[in-house]
Amino acid sequence: SAVISQKPSRDICQRGTSLTIQCQVDSQVTMMFWYRQQPGQSLTLIATANQGSEATYESGFVIDKFPISRPNLTFSTLTVSNMSPEDSSIYLCSVGREGTEAFFGQGTRLTVV
Amino acid sequence: GENVEQHPSTLSVQEGDSAVIKCTYSDSASNYFPWYKQELGKRPQLIIDIRSNVGEKKDQRIAVTLNKTAKHFSLHITETQPEDSAVYFCAASDTGRRALTFGSGTRLQVQP
Repeated sequence: SAVISQKPSRDICQRGTSLTIQCQVDSQVTMMFWYRQQPGQSLTLIATANQGSEATYESGFVIDKFPISRPNLTFSTLTVSNMSPEDSSIYLCSVGREGTEAFFGQGTRLTVV
Repeated sequence: GENVEQHPSTLSVQEGDSAVIKCTYSDSASNYFPWYKQELGKRPQLIIDIRSNVGEKKDQRIAVTLNKTAKHFSLHITETQPEDSAVYFCAASDTGRRALTFGSGTRLQVQP
């Protein structure tokens, strides 16, 4: 299994500001994933972060709103930009090695006021 | 892209009864099907998974079945206990893409 540290665990932010979420893994992984879980809802993939290349975004998510960095094989950040109350969600990073199960960080509970 | 549908959305059973949650998927390329349990305020935890070369997998009180032809898979929990109460998510992916597409979730409540 992989140990994933995600921070912050929660934050309350003013609308119009940005928050950067960090995800650190205890071993090297090729792919890291960022998901959003809106209150009472399922998990939706935001983007796939590959080391050394641009992140791949899912339909409905754009780089200007959710810029992602992947500077090495153990670390990634997701920024939620120009926040509005609709961005209030839990954001989770995930890793999965080929042929193995996916593991999740503990999540970042974001509240935008 | 992949679409995963999950039923029922809520399920209430008596302690000791069995619970069954069903999912269907749309993409025939999907070959990996995990199930996650999420307790309130916590991250999703993998409880069991199955790959497309297997029809059934069991781990103590939990089992998963897969019907590739019909594109559906199910979670079976036997002898349910109050601590089984949580939200359960099915998911699907392929080993190439590896990102998970999740079902909508089932809130299971086990009544003591």
